[in-house]
Amino acid sequence: GAGVSQSPRYKVAKRGQDVALRCDPISGHVSLFWYQQALGQGPEFLTYFQNEAQLDKSGLPSDRFFAERPEGSVSTLKIQRTQQEDSAVYLCASSPGTQRNTGELFFGEGSRLTVL
Amino acid sequence: GENVEQHPSTLSVQEGDSAVIKCTYSDSASNYFPWYKQELGKGPQLIIDIRSNVGEKKDQRIAVTLNKTAKHFSLHITETQPEDSAVYFCAATKGTGANNLFFGTGTRLTVIP
Repeated sequence: GAGVSQSPRYKVAKRGQDVALRCDPISGHVSLFWYQQALGQGPEFLTYFQNEAQLDKSGLPSDRFFAERPEGSVSTLKIQRTQQEDSAVYLCASSPGTQRNTGELFFGEGSRLTVL
Repeated sequence: GENVEQHPSTLSVQEGDSAVIKCTYSDSASNYFPWYKQELGKGPQLIIDIRSNVGEKKDQRIAVTLNKTAKHFSLHITETQPEDSAVYFCAATKGTGANNLFFGTGTRLTVIP
């Protein structure tokens, strides 16, 4: 497909479990973002990659959150020792622009994480 | 950091009427203001955007206005249709040249047939 693909679409984890969420951006897109969207709220920035470099991780809420994009394409967001407050939809977005060239973000459909 | 406020949180209009959603932002360095539409179970999708050197932009039934002095911008939808029903988010860049966005809390628009 031509869009941003995220998997899994739904994930239920027991508190304390580790989870990994995957994002396949649009081919050739330089920039990749992770956002967290709580129920009834707008997306909140977590982290930003330009190619394989993680240029901004200021939005990651704790050191339990880790993201990588080792080859500048697919990205994985990992959450260790999940807590109930981690329950949210995690959105991935990609953009053909770079950090200095703001442009349209193309969002995936998100991964809904529920921590019991 | 940037703070984006959005009003109203919910809006119901009759089909064919106009809808207006307003946002304010705090960071005077912000230079890019997109609007995203999010349908149930989907990711947000860009519908229109405006940059700080433009006061108004229109695309068919959708228009956005920007007042940099007052630090507010608005989305206008005319001749609303049932398929316009969704949650709409405004957003603003963190600062000049930044490529990540701060989003408002969203407006749930319902168009009544």
